[in-house]
Amino acid sequence: QVHLQESGPGLVKPSQTLSLTCSVSGGSISSGGYYWSWIRQHPGKGLEWIGYIYYNGNTYYNPSLKSRAIIAVDTSKNQFSLKLSSVTAADTAVYYCARHGVVTKYFDNWGQGTLVTVSS
Amino acid sequence: QSALTQPPSASGSPGQSVTISCTGTSSDVGGYKYVSWYQQHPGKAPKLMIHEVNKRPSGVPDRFSGSKSGSTASLTVSGLQPEDEADYYCSSYAGNNAAVFGGGTKLTVL
Repeated sequence: QVHLQESGPGLVKPSQTLSLTCSVSGGSISSGGYYWSWIRQHPGKGLEWIGYIYYNGNTYYNPSLKSRAIIAVDTSKNQFSLKLSSVTAADTAVYYCARHGVVTKYFDNWGQGTLVTVSS
Repeated sequence: QSALTQPPSASGSPGQSVTISCTGTSSDVGGYKYVSWYQQHPGKAPKLMIHEVNKRPSGVPDRFSGSKSGSTASLTVSGLQPEDEADYYCSSYAGNNAAVFGGGTKLTVL
């Protein structure tokens, strides 16, 4: 069973860059077949797909966030990351990392989520 | 890429059946067989309940079933149990390697 764990600062100042890392255990990102994803959930709201990355570095983003989001992968550490620039209070959310099947196209394993608050 | 449309709430008594709808367009739900459903209890991560419209992962009770007609997908929970009370989200492939979620439905077991 693949396990995903998010990590990063819980508080980010407005206009700065939010940086999160997802550590994957129980399976190798490099084995292929899956996109490694970031999803967020604003307080009391629904889920929003941010984007995902394949082990070879190919990335796909939600058009609404594409200009501010960068997802990267470090196969040597079996980790992938999210950077979201120029954050505002509207970026306050619980951020989840998840695994998404390339062929099957569903999110089958999720991290527990981490709350990031944007505030001065 | 707009969010899929779900009713904000649904409810039913223990033992009853309830169906939650998820409406999209021909660019997402209507165009592909890749609709999935997730259950989320308060403070927890979402859990996959249905994938590819009507397939249940191992360990998910057969009380949960999915279907699709045109651009509307549905999740039916039969024989409602107290532990089914949760938020439910649909998701669909939206073409060009994109995913989209619904706004979520809060299921209350009366």
